[in-house]
Amino acid sequence: AQKITQTQPGMFVQEKEAVTLDCTYDTSDPSYGLFWYKQPSSGEMIFLIYQGSYDQQNATEGRYSLNFQKARKSANLVISASQLGDSAMYFCAMREGLTGTASKLTFGTGTRLQVTL
Amino acid sequence: GAVVSQHPSWVICKSGTSVKIECRSLDFQATTMFWYRQFPKQSLMLMATSNEGSKATYEQGVEKDKFLINHASLTLSTLTVTSAHPEDSSFYICSARDLWRSAGGSSYNEQFFGPGTRLTVL
Repeated sequence: AQKITQTQPGMFVQEKEAVTLDCTYDTSDPSYGLFWYKQPSSGEMIFLIYQGSYDQQNATEGRYSLNFQKARKSANLVISASQLGDSAMYFCAMREGLTGTASKLTFGTGTRLQVTL
Repeated sequence: GAVVSQHPSWVICKSGTSVKIECRSLDFQATTMFWYRQFPKQSLMLMATSNEGSKATYEQGVEKDKFLINHASLTLSTLTVTSAHPEDSSFYICSARDLWRSAGGSSYNEQFFGPGTRLTVL
């Protein structure tokens, strides 16, 4: 079974609108971290936001927020007030285990977001 | 802070040659670095985990004799693609795990990515 599932290969959003990118995960480890990265055409991986499995509140970073629904095992990224510069590939990733262990990141297949005028 | 560099940013080589890619953590120490490969329009696939002072751990299906990893110091890991072939053409990205941020067992982001190296084998 896939550990990270992103079901939207592509999404369009109009400038200034909000958009939600879906991510579901699968793990039996009670300790895990969920990440979202942005990859523009240049290829660099830009860290956006992090949610720990024990965090009580949804993570927020500026225009990015993570809708964490633990029981549903979903960690959707919400981008508010979309900008043209938000057009990129977005990856959801999971690290199983806490930091301090040699845990690696597992990535989803990504969602390509296109922001239109 | 938490900057990771990769060199070169792109390389073109002939089939059969070897190519070395460097990954450096510029302002932090990293006992662990990760090497990923990304084919066009695909996700990042972990190739190996590089541990300072010890042998790398390779993921299933990755040939360790073809992709040599050396993690000689707390700030440098190298990936050498030996006897490269056109099918090795890909985007290679490293990430480095901050030694101090990952200590203590807390749960937060402690892994930082390099800008990637685009390898083209002719």
